[in-house]
Amino acid sequence: DAGVIQSPRHEVTEMGQEVTLRCKPISGHNSLFWYRQTMMRGLELLIYFNNNVPIDDSGMPEDRFSAKMPNASFSTLKIQPSEPRDSAVYFCASNLGWGANVLTFGAGSRLTVL
Amino acid sequence: AQSVAQPEDQVNVAEGNPLTVKCTYSVSGNPYLFWYVQYPNRGLQFLLKYITGDNLVKGSYGFEAEFNKSQTSFHLKKPSALVSDSALYFCAVLNRDDKIIFGKGTRLHILP
Repeated sequence: DAGVIQSPRHEVTEMGQEVTLRCKPISGHNSLFWYRQTMMRGLELLIYFNNNVPIDDSGMPEDRFSAKMPNASFSTLKIQPSEPRDSAVYFCASNLGWGANVLTFGAGSRLTVL
Repeated sequence: AQSVAQPEDQVNVAEGNPLTVKCTYSVSGNPYLFWYVQYPNRGLQFLLKYITGDNLVKGSYGFEAEFNKSQTSFHLKKPSALVSDSALYFCAVLNRDDKIIFGKGTRLHILP
């Protein structure tokens, strides 16, 4: 398995533009997580899905953020409109589902909003 | 709420010396605890976890962690540090909602 695949690896955009980050989890993994990493706040959980259903989106910072998982092999995190304070590394991770199962992380998408 | 704390932002250790990266937890009930490592420009990688059983947990790359219930700690250790161990280390806990919550991370520098 190629692991968790994220794209793009780097994105530079201007304030106000729409940003879409993509994630392909490991085949067979039932849960998918989106995290954001910044120097100031560390690693924050934004939202997670189980069997393609959003379970908890309490970490999504504002209505400008939205996430979807239309099928078991694909998820998107969208920011519209983007702002400079959204600049961060966004990680997608997946695991086998509920409980203390190990998370496998993607390499991350580094977003810079000018 | 379940949480973990990593009291040190950075730890410096000479190569060949033992290393310890500290983590304390605050949970109700039995904790499920993890350590992950992040190398530059990479995602986090799993090192080890404690669910139940032996208080000394062995993991990848020669790392181990000791679960101490009385001190509510789960410190990461390695007997002899390598320069290649230099990275960002995260302690994490599984909370009641089945979410894995990470600490702020500790940057480990191994000095040649």
